[in-house]
Parts: sequence; structure tokens; C-alpha cells
Amino acid sequence: DGGITQSPKYLFRKEGQNVTLSCEQNLNHDAMYWYRQDPGQGLRLIYYSQIVNDFQKGDIAEGYSVSREKKESFPLTVTSAQKNPTAFYLCASRHHTGNSGNTIYFGEGSWLTVV
Amino acid sequence: AQTVTQSQPEMSVQEAETVTLSCTYDTSESDYYLFWYKQPPSRQMILVIRQEAYKQQNATENRFSVNFQKAAKSFSLKISDSQLGDAAMYFCAYRSLSGGGADGLTFGKGTHLIIQP
Repeated sequence: DGGITQSPKYLFRKEGQNVTLSCEQNLNHDAMYWYRQDPGQGLRLIYYSQIVNDFQKGDIAEGYSVSREKKESFPLTVTSAQKNPTAFYLCASRHHTGNSGNTIYFGEGSWLTVV
Repeated sequence: AQTVTQSQPEMSVQEAETVTLSCTYDTSESDYYLFWYKQPPSRQMILVIRQEAYKQQNATENRFSVNFQKAAKSFSLKISDSQLGDAAMYFCAYRSLSGGGADGLTFGKGTHLIIQP
């Protein structure tokens, strides 16, 4: 099936550890995004990538890093510098062109908890 | 920067009735898209409906329709014949087409919709 796959669904991190959340899409979408959602809040943009080997900071990039080595993959690393990483993380993607080019589609999300 | 405001943290409606969720936004741009996303307890974000700002006609998708008032910067969602499966968080979102600033969506804080059987 086509779609956006995030893994793992649930992840626990110890203080001081880096963790990486995976996001893979087989929709041949050009742009990919990472959002963070906290309880009672909307989504906030962490990083986005329009093309391979290029990415830009969103509104809350501090303490996070990304890479875009392949079109279909956009992993997010939550570093130890992120002071409050416990949240729900959503990956998303879209085409650059076409009728659906301005619509962003989402994966099922990953829960990250610091223990 | 654009902002999106959803003034109703929670709404409740009887099954089969009609409910309207409010959304206002602030922008200086003329070309943009607006979206309503649904987030059920599974937490996946599901696209409900989208509206292109250049179109005067309000978008509709089955039981879902919008009232887009560009001058007032208002974008409300109407759900007709509410069903139990409509219970979810609903988020209003804005996407700029101007090319300046960050790509992606700007979200409101959401409205929790409760369907009373």
C-alpha cells in the first residue's frame, strides 16, 4: 500500500540519549516535513525538506536534526540538547506540483517519552 | 507570520444534528490554501477538506462543507448529519503560496468535537 510509514510507534529515551525517528514514504512525494504535537496544542513545524540533500529549519528546530539522503526517507534525530522532547511526532509529505500539490499528507505518528 | 485561531476548545452536538466549527486566520497574503484536518483518538491526521483562496465557491466533501469569508479571514467547517465517527479533534490549517518564509502548514490549537448519541 502507498503511504507514509513512521517507526517506531512508541519510543522511550533516557536522559542524555539521542534517538532517531524513521519516516519513509512511497508516494513519490517531493517535500517532507516533521511536526511536533504537545497535549492541547496544534502541530508545530520542526524541519522540512523540499528536495534531496536539502532541508530547512521550521519554527522549533533547536535540539533536532534531520537528513534527506533519499527522496523517500526523512529521519528525525532528537538530540540530548532538546530539553523537553516528550511529545507526539508526525511526519508528512506532499507533491510539488499537480492538483494535490498543495495538500500535505501525514503518517500515523510516533510517541516519544523521556524516562 | 501567519496565525490561525480556533476559538472553540470543545464543541458538543447530538448525533444527526449539524455543527459548525470556527476558524479565523491572520495573513497579509492573497494567495494561500486553507485546510481542515481531523485527528481521531488514533492520532493520525486525516484531511477533511481544503479551500483555495482564489476560489470564491465554498468547498464541499459529502457531509462536510466550509464557509470561506476571505475579507473577514474566516474559514468555518460545517458538519451535517453528525455521526459518532466524526468525534475527534479538528484542526484548521493555513498554507502560504507566496514562497516566503517556511514551507508547511500553520495550525490552530484545535477543537475537540463530541458527538452525543
